[in-house]
Amino acid sequence: DAEITQSPRHKITETGRQVTLACHQTWNHNNMFWYRQDLGHGLRLIHYSYGVHDTNKGEVSDGYSVSRSNTEDLPLTLESAASSQTSVYFCASSGDSYGYTFGSGTRLTVV
Amino acid sequence: GENVEQHPSTLSVQEGDSAVIKCTYSDSASNYFPWYKQELGKRPQLIIDIRSNVGEKKDQRIAVTLNKTAKHFSLHITETQPEDSAVYFCAEGGSNYKLTFGKGTLLTVNP
Repeated sequence: DAEITQSPRHKITETGRQVTLACHQTWNHNNMFWYRQDLGHGLRLIHYSYGVHDTNKGEVSDGYSVSRSNTEDLPLTLESAASSQTSVYFCASSGDSYGYTFGSGTRLTVV
Repeated sequence: GENVEQHPSTLSVQEGDSAVIKCTYSDSASNYFPWYKQELGKRPQLIIDIRSNVGEKKDQRIAVTLNKTAKHFSLHITETQPEDSAVYFCAEGGSNYKLTFGKGTLLTVNP
């Protein structure tokens, strides 16, 4: 069955380190999105992509980057982790409609 | 930019009662309005959605209504059950497959 997977499920890192969160989907979806979820803020868009080599900034993109070298993967990189980036990160994908399928999330703690 | 206001932030009802969650949006070009349910520690999952050419949609105990003139839409859950307890998110989308989410409503159904 098609799926969308995120790894790792949990990550603890130190301030200033570079961290990469993986997102892999087998739906063959063109559209992929990264959101962060924080109490009181809901889900906020970080970056998104409409296809290979396409990337776009969302509303909270500072300190984050993505790359899309194939259809299946959209890794999210924190260039220099900060405590403010402690959050739960969700990846999502969609095809030719708005129907998002979310990954199971990555809980990131920056100490 | 897109903005979605969601109310209330918390809602507590007795089992069997109805629950209503309301959202307002600002972008006149928005044409897709989904609702997601997120149980504790899980990923958000789509429960119902509506497009701008429809005023109401129903699926068993849940329904969504849309008032495009007033730019608001609502989720209605009837005959609530303890398993309805979760965080509910509304969202809006335009022509670019990108969703903007409300901040969420924590629904508690008391047995």
